[in-house]
Amino acid sequence: DTGVSQNPRHKITKRGQNVTFRCDPISEHNRLYWYRQTLGQGPEFLTYFQNEAQLEKSRLLSDRFSAERPKGSFSTLEIQRTEQGDSAMYLCASSLVDGPGHGYTFGSGTRLTVV
Amino acid sequence: GEDVEQSLFLSVREGDSSVINCTYTDSSSTYLYWYKQEPGAGLQLLTYIFSNMDMKQDQRLTVLLNKKDKHLSLRIADTQTGDSAIYFCAERGTNAGKSTFGDGTTLTVKP
Repeated sequence: DTGVSQNPRHKITKRGQNVTFRCDPISEHNRLYWYRQTLGQGPEFLTYFQNEAQLEKSRLLSDRFSAERPKGSFSTLEIQRTEQGDSAMYLCASSLVDGPGHGYTFGSGTRLTVV
Repeated sequence: GEDVEQSLFLSVREGDSSVINCTYTDSSSTYLYWYKQEPGAGLQLLTYIFSNMDMKQDQRLTVLLNKKDKHLSLRIADTQTGDSAIYFCAERGTNAGKSTFGDGTTLTVKP
């Protein structure tokens, strides 16, 4: 297994456009998480899935954000009508619900720049 | 809600020990973690400790937990230049799916 894979690594988009990111977790991991990180800050929780079920979504997440994990494997995060404030690193992580310590394995992230 | 606080910067000389501190507010935190982030990379899990433990040692890393004061520390022995990175403290409650992260401590190791 090559770990958690995120694509694309970088995305530059114009304000108002829609963007979609993909995350491929470690294959046997049943939990998948999306976080957002801005410069000088720690990761901020967005949402997470257990298998295909979306179990929690941050109250800070506007309705422009949507995430799916249709078959319990890969996940997509879509941002509609992007704003400059959406510029950030979007991190995906996966874990086993009953793994040791339940610690995350993170991907390298997708850096979004909205111009 | 949950909150995790860390000091922002730490600078040490190569070969010295580094101690990175963290405080958290959620008394129901069950798991506490330390992650390392190098430039341009995602976070890497270094170690974790259960809330019913006081200490955990893993090679050069020692984690100390004071549950009464909600204080967690990470000690890195014989710090090397390759240890220069941002270190994040995180907590997770028993029934919580998500972890809450601090804003990270930037460790700089000088030769």
